[in-house]
Amino acid sequence: QQQVKQSPQSLIVQKGGISIINCAYENTAFDYFPWYQQFPGKGPALLIAIRPDVSEKKEGRFTISFNKSAKQFSLHIMDSQPGDSATYFCAASYNTGNQFYFGTGTSLTVIP
Amino acid sequence: GAVVSQHPSWVICKSGTSVKIECRSLDFQATTMFWYRQFPKQSLMLMATSNEGSKATYEQGVEKDKFLINHASLTLSTLTVTSAHPEDSSFYICSARAADSPFYEKLFFGSGTQLSVL
Repeated sequence: QQQVKQSPQSLIVQKGGISIINCAYENTAFDYFPWYQQFPGKGPALLIAIRPDVSEKKEGRFTISFNKSAKQFSLHIMDSQPGDSATYFCAASYNTGNQFYFGTGTSLTVIP
Repeated sequence: GAVVSQHPSWVICKSGTSVKIECRSLDFQATTMFWYRQFPKQSLMLMATSNEGSKATYEQGVEKDKFLINHASLTLSTLTVTSAHPEDSSFYICSARAADSPFYEKLFFGSGTQLSVL
């Protein structure tokens, strides 16, 4: 059973555009929601994360929007650049738990 | 961010030999480390969870006698692929969950190991 559902599977965006990746979860016990960026042949790198007590978190061009009632969260990449082309994974975990649940990943391609 | 060092980054071995992959958290203590396997253009597949000083917990379908995990200290976990076969060829990634400030509870990944078994 997929604990975290991620969409779309792939995304193509023009340079300067906004990339939006969505994730949904069912378990209301989750209280930590990170996003990871992975380049080919490399391990995932923590990009940005949010807890459910806030609805939005912004770090540079990256913003997480969190909708607790809908059990959804999304990553927005503003002014997308070719260097942002990578695979993005959302994840969820419990505060006291010992497990991270990952989405299936989104392959982002930013074309010049 | 915190650094997780994973070595080697790539390894080629003959069928039947064993390969050890090392995962170290360099600037934080990790009571829990995770090992993943990733096939090209696919998501992370959790293989096992290891807690310092105790036996690893393996996911269903993962052979614990084939993939030996040792988490000997708060900063080091190793994965040994025993009697490797071509079907074990894959990208293996470790991750470590920080147990203390300032990275408390965050999960950081190593750079991965590409294993090719001939």
